[in-house]
Amino acid sequence: SQQGEEDPQALSIQEGENATMNCSYKTSINNLQWYRQNSGRGLVHLILIRSNEREKHSGRLRVTLDTSKKSSSLLITASRAADTASYFCATDGKGGSYIPTFGRGTSLIVHP
Amino acid sequence: DVKVTQSSRYLVKRTGEKVFLECVQDMDHENMFWYRQDPGLGLRLIYFSYDVKMKEKGDIPEGYSVSREKKERFSLILESASTNQTSMYLCASLDRLAMQPQHFGDGTRLSIL
Repeated sequence: SQQGEEDPQALSIQEGENATMNCSYKTSINNLQWYRQNSGRGLVHLILIRSNEREKHSGRLRVTLDTSKKSSSLLITASRAADTASYFCATDGKGGSYIPTFGRGTSLIVHP
Repeated sequence: DVKVTQSSRYLVKRTGEKVFLECVQDMDHENMFWYRQDPGLGLRLIYFSYDVKMKEKGDIPEGYSVSREKKERFSLILESASTNQTSMYLCASLDRLAMQPQHFGDGTRLSIL
């Protein structure tokens, strides 16, 4: 069963706009990760945020984590057509297991 | 850079066939994983291995088995393929050091006819 759930399931925006995706999870975590998947390809790791961190940046990506609400968000600023992909959050497995548990993903389409 | 290589990008097999999906990683990672990915269901863990010859069932092991004879290679076996095993299969590896991300192969799109 999924630990993390992304929202929305699908997002369609214009190039240059910001894209925000959310992830909610159920049990306490040690860290949360975001991955990206281009169509027909494997997942690529984007960013990891630890449970004692609240915000993290990497280029045009900004990730926040609110452990009190058991939620995280991924913001992509100034989106590009090349950002079109599916985005997944992954949390620790249940009981602190190191095995990540993935959500169902958000499908992002950026129109040029 | 870590490289995880899956032997086939696309594979077509018939029901009842024994199917082998191969995965090789080049970074000496202890842990390797097999997932299947279906639309609307996300990634579901089939099996994982934390060492040579060691394996653990994931969330959906039924109809599958695995083999890890060497550290770098993790094979997924469909003993008798069925049409409901048509899916995208993803292999991943992980260094067990804390806070390390998984590294994924490009996937094998398997069709069972």
